[in-house]
Amino acid sequence: DTGVSQDPRHKITKRGQNVTFRCDPISEHNRLYWYRQTLGQGPEFLTYFQNEAQLEKSRLLSDRFSAERPKGSFSTLEIQRTEQGDSAMYLCASSGRPGGYTFGSGTRLTVV
Amino acid sequence: DAKTTQPPSMDCAEGRAANLPCNHSTISGNEYVYWYRQIHSQGPQYIIHGLKNNETNEMASLIITEDRKSSTLILPHATLRDTAVYYCIVRAPMDSNYQLIWGAGTKLIIKP
Repeated sequence: DTGVSQDPRHKITKRGQNVTFRCDPISEHNRLYWYRQTLGQGPEFLTYFQNEAQLEKSRLLSDRFSAERPKGSFSTLEIQRTEQGDSAMYLCASSGRPGGYTFGSGTRLTVV
Repeated sequence: DAKTTQPPSMDCAEGRAANLPCNHSTISGNEYVYWYRQIHSQGPQYIIHGLKNNETNEMASLIITEDRKSSTLILPHATLRDTAVYYCIVRAPMDSNYQLIWGAGTKLIIKP
Protein backbone atom coordinates (compact mmCIF):
# COMPACT_ATOMS: atom_id res chain seq x y z
CA ASP A 1 0.00 0.00 0.00
CA THR A 2 1.55 3.30 -1.07
CA GLY A 3 -1.02 5.57 0.56
CA VAL A 4 -0.82 7.65 3.74
CA SER A 5 -1.17 5.52 6.87
CA GLN A 6 -2.40 6.73 10.22
CA ASP A 7 -2.35 4.90 13.50
CA PRO A 8 -4.45 4.30 15.49
CA ARG A 9 -7.75 4.59 13.64
CA HIS A 10 -9.64 5.19 16.86
CA LYS A 11 -8.54 6.35 20.30
CA ILE A 12 -10.65 6.76 23.41
CA THR A 13 -8.93 8.45 26.31
CA LYS A 14 -9.82 9.96 29.64
CA ARG A 15 -9.63 13.69 30.08
CA GLY A 16 -6.19 14.74 31.24
CA GLN A 17 -4.33 11.87 29.60
CA ASN A 18 -1.72 12.30 26.89
CA VAL A 19 -2.18 10.78 23.45
CA THR A 20 0.11 10.37 20.46
CA PHE A 21 -0.85 9.72 16.87
CA ARG A 22 1.39 8.56 14.05
CA CYS A 23 1.35 9.33 10.35
CA ASP A 24 3.38 7.56 7.67
CA PRO A 25 3.29 9.63 4.48
CA ILE A 26 3.87 8.48 0.94
CA SER A 27 7.60 7.83 0.91
CA GLU A 28 8.57 10.23 -1.85
CA HIS A 29 6.48 13.12 -0.49
CA ASN A 30 8.47 15.80 1.32
CA ARG A 31 5.46 17.80 2.54
CA LEU A 32 3.32 16.62 5.44
CA TYR A 33 0.25 18.26 6.97
CA TRP A 34 -1.93 17.73 10.02
CA TYR A 35 -5.58 18.77 10.01
CA ARG A 36 -8.36 18.45 12.55
CA GLN A 37 -12.00 17.86 11.63
CA THR A 38 -15.07 18.07 13.82
CA LEU A 39 -18.48 16.70 12.90
CA GLY A 40 -20.15 18.50 10.02
CA GLN A 41 -17.19 20.78 9.34
CA GLY A 42 -14.40 20.77 6.83
CA PRO A 43 -10.85 20.02 7.98
CA GLU A 44 -8.96 22.77 9.83
CA PHE A 45 -5.23 23.19 9.29
CA LEU A 46 -2.98 22.49 12.28
CA THR A 47 0.61 22.32 11.06
CA TYR A 48 2.87 21.71 8.07
CA PHE A 49 6.30 20.10 7.60
CA GLN A 50 8.63 20.27 4.68
CA ASN A 51 11.02 17.40 5.22
CA GLU A 52 11.88 17.56 8.93
CA ALA A 53 11.26 21.30 9.31
CA GLN A 54 7.98 22.44 10.84
CA LEU A 55 7.30 25.53 8.74
CA GLU A 56 3.86 26.58 9.86
CA LYS A 57 1.62 26.19 12.89
CA SER A 58 -1.99 27.26 13.22
CA ARG A 59 -3.29 29.28 16.13
CA LEU A 60 -5.43 26.19 16.80
CA LEU A 61 -2.27 24.39 17.87
CA SER A 62 -2.17 25.27 21.55
CA ASP A 63 0.80 24.63 23.83
CA ARG A 64 -0.68 21.23 24.61
CA PHE A 65 -0.15 20.12 21.03
CA SER A 66 3.23 19.20 19.59
CA ALA A 67 4.16 17.65 16.28
CA GLU A 68 7.41 16.19 15.07
CA ARG A 69 8.77 14.71 11.91
CA PRO A 70 12.19 13.26 12.70
CA LYS A 71 14.38 12.63 9.67
CA GLY A 72 11.63 13.87 7.40
CA SER A 73 9.82 10.55 7.34
CA PHE A 74 6.90 9.66 9.63
CA SER A 75 5.30 12.26 11.86
CA THR A 76 3.76 12.20 15.31
CA LEU A 77 1.15 14.49 16.81
CA GLU A 78 0.97 14.53 20.60
CA ILE A 79 -1.77 16.07 22.69
CA GLN A 80 -0.99 16.55 26.37
CA ARG A 81 -3.61 16.85 29.10
CA THR A 82 -6.46 16.11 26.72
CA GLU A 83 -9.72 18.01 27.03
CA GLN A 84 -13.18 17.08 25.79
CA GLY A 85 -12.87 19.80 23.15
CA ASP A 86 -10.01 17.88 21.60
CA SER A 87 -12.42 15.17 20.45
CA ALA A 88 -12.20 15.20 16.66
CA MET A 89 -10.85 13.40 13.63
CA TYR A 90 -7.14 14.11 13.15
CA LEU A 91 -6.13 13.88 9.52
CA CYS A 92 -2.67 13.62 8.04
CA ALA A 93 -1.88 14.42 4.40
CA SER A 94 1.28 14.37 2.33
CA SER A 95 2.23 15.99 -0.93
CA GLY A 96 5.09 15.93 -3.36
CA ARG A 97 3.90 19.06 -5.09
CA PRO A 98 1.75 22.04 -4.14
CA GLY A 99 -1.94 21.21 -4.14
CA GLY A 100 -1.66 17.48 -4.71
CA TYR A 101 -2.60 16.23 -1.28
CA THR A 102 -3.12 12.59 -0.36
CA PHE A 103 -4.93 12.13 2.92
CA GLY A 104 -4.85 9.25 5.34
CA SER A 105 -8.01 7.76 6.82
CA GLY A 106 -7.56 9.74 10.01
CA THR A 107 -7.47 9.02 13.74
CA ARG A 108 -10.74 9.58 15.55
CA LEU A 109 -10.11 10.79 19.10
CA THR A 110 -12.78 10.66 21.76
CA VAL A 111 -12.02 12.26 25.12
CA VAL A 112 -14.33 11.10 27.89
CA ASP B 1 -12.85 31.90 6.17
CA ALA B 2 -13.37 29.71 3.15
CA LYS B 3 -13.27 31.54 -0.16
CA THR B 4 -16.00 29.38 -1.68
CA THR B 5 -19.76 28.94 -1.30
CA GLN B 6 -21.47 25.62 -1.90
CA PRO B 7 -25.02 24.37 -1.29
CA PRO B 8 -25.13 22.30 1.90
CA SER B 9 -26.77 19.28 0.28
CA MET B 10 -27.93 17.80 -3.02
CA ASP B 11 -29.63 14.64 -4.23
CA CYS B 12 -29.05 12.83 -7.50
CA ALA B 13 -30.50 9.66 -9.00
CA GLU B 14 -28.14 6.78 -9.60
CA GLY B 15 -26.91 6.70 -13.21
CA ARG B 16 -27.62 10.38 -13.80
CA ALA B 17 -25.08 13.18 -13.97
CA ALA B 18 -24.43 14.95 -10.69
CA ASN B 19 -23.66 18.65 -11.10
CA LEU B 20 -22.18 20.30 -8.03
CA PRO B 21 -21.91 24.10 -8.12
CA CYS B 22 -19.35 26.28 -6.38
CA ASN B 23 -19.15 30.07 -6.17
CA HIS B 24 -15.75 31.71 -5.78
CA SER B 25 -16.42 35.32 -6.72
CA THR B 26 -13.25 36.64 -5.05
CA ILE B 27 -10.87 34.24 -6.78
CA SER B 28 -7.51 35.74 -7.74
CA GLY B 29 -5.85 35.33 -11.10
CA ASN B 30 -3.27 32.84 -9.85
CA GLU B 31 -5.67 30.73 -7.79
CA TYR B 32 -6.72 27.28 -8.89
CA VAL B 33 -10.02 25.57 -8.13
CA TYR B 34 -9.61 22.22 -6.38
CA TRP B 35 -12.26 19.61 -5.65
CA TYR B 36 -12.00 16.94 -2.99
CA ARG B 37 -14.57 14.54 -1.62
CA GLN B 38 -14.88 12.76 1.69
CA ILE B 39 -16.74 9.52 2.05
CA HIS B 40 -18.02 8.83 5.54
CA SER B 41 -15.28 7.94 8.04
CA GLN B 42 -12.50 8.33 5.48
CA GLY B 43 -9.98 11.06 4.71
CA PRO B 44 -10.63 13.51 1.87
CA GLN B 45 -9.84 12.29 -1.64
CA TYR B 46 -8.52 14.52 -4.42
CA ILE B 47 -10.80 14.65 -7.48
CA ILE B 48 -9.67 17.32 -9.92
CA HIS B 49 -8.34 20.86 -10.19
CA GLY B 50 -8.17 23.59 -12.83
CA LEU B 51 -7.22 27.19 -13.46
CA LYS B 52 -9.42 28.49 -16.27
CA ASN B 53 -9.83 25.76 -18.84
CA ASN B 54 -12.29 22.94 -18.39
CA GLU B 55 -10.67 19.77 -17.12
CA THR B 56 -11.63 16.10 -17.28
CA ASN B 57 -10.17 13.00 -15.71
CA GLU B 58 -11.32 9.49 -14.98
CA MET B 59 -13.36 10.64 -11.99
CA ALA B 60 -15.04 13.86 -13.07
CA SER B 61 -15.18 16.97 -15.22
CA LEU B 62 -14.62 20.51 -14.01
CA ILE B 63 -16.31 23.40 -15.79
CA ILE B 64 -15.05 26.88 -14.87
CA THR B 65 -16.96 29.93 -16.06
CA GLU B 66 -15.17 32.42 -18.27
CA ASP B 67 -15.04 35.02 -15.49
CA ARG B 68 -13.80 32.26 -13.12
CA LYS B 69 -16.24 33.33 -10.45
CA SER B 70 -17.94 29.96 -10.33
CA SER B 71 -17.41 26.36 -11.31
CA THR B 72 -19.28 23.07 -11.57
CA LEU B 73 -18.04 19.60 -10.79
CA ILE B 74 -19.73 16.97 -12.94
CA LEU B 75 -19.88 13.29 -12.05
CA PRO B 76 -21.17 11.94 -15.38
CA HIS B 77 -22.80 8.71 -14.22
CA ALA B 78 -23.27 8.85 -10.48
CA THR B 79 -23.20 5.62 -8.49
CA LEU B 80 -24.16 4.93 -4.89
CA ARG B 81 -20.46 4.98 -4.03
CA ASP B 82 -20.33 8.65 -5.01
CA THR B 83 -22.36 9.55 -1.92
CA ALA B 84 -19.99 11.85 -0.03
CA VAL B 85 -19.28 15.42 1.04
CA TYR B 86 -17.73 17.37 -1.83
CA TYR B 87 -15.43 20.28 -1.10
CA CYS B 88 -14.52 23.10 -3.47
CA ILE B 89 -11.34 24.99 -2.55
CA VAL B 90 -9.44 27.82 -4.21
CA ARG B 91 -5.77 28.48 -3.67
CA ALA B 92 -2.59 29.43 -5.44
CA PRO B 93 -0.37 26.35 -5.71
CA MET B 94 2.81 28.30 -5.27
CA ASP B 95 1.71 30.04 -2.08
CA SER B 96 4.29 29.74 0.64
CA ASN B 97 1.31 29.06 2.88
CA TYR B 98 0.42 25.56 1.79
CA GLN B 99 -2.65 25.00 3.89
CA LEU B 100 -6.04 24.46 2.32
CA ILE B 101 -8.97 26.43 3.70
CA TRP B 102 -12.06 24.23 3.72
CA GLY B 103 -15.71 25.18 3.91
CA ALA B 104 -18.49 22.83 4.98
CA GLY B 105 -18.87 21.35 1.48
CA THR B 106 -21.90 19.85 -0.26
CA LYS B 107 -23.32 16.58 1.00
CA LEU B 108 -24.25 14.66 -2.15
CA ILE B 109 -26.65 11.77 -1.74
CA ILE B 110 -27.04 9.37 -4.64
CA LYS B 111 -30.41 7.66 -4.57
CA PRO B 112 -31.19 4.29 -6.19
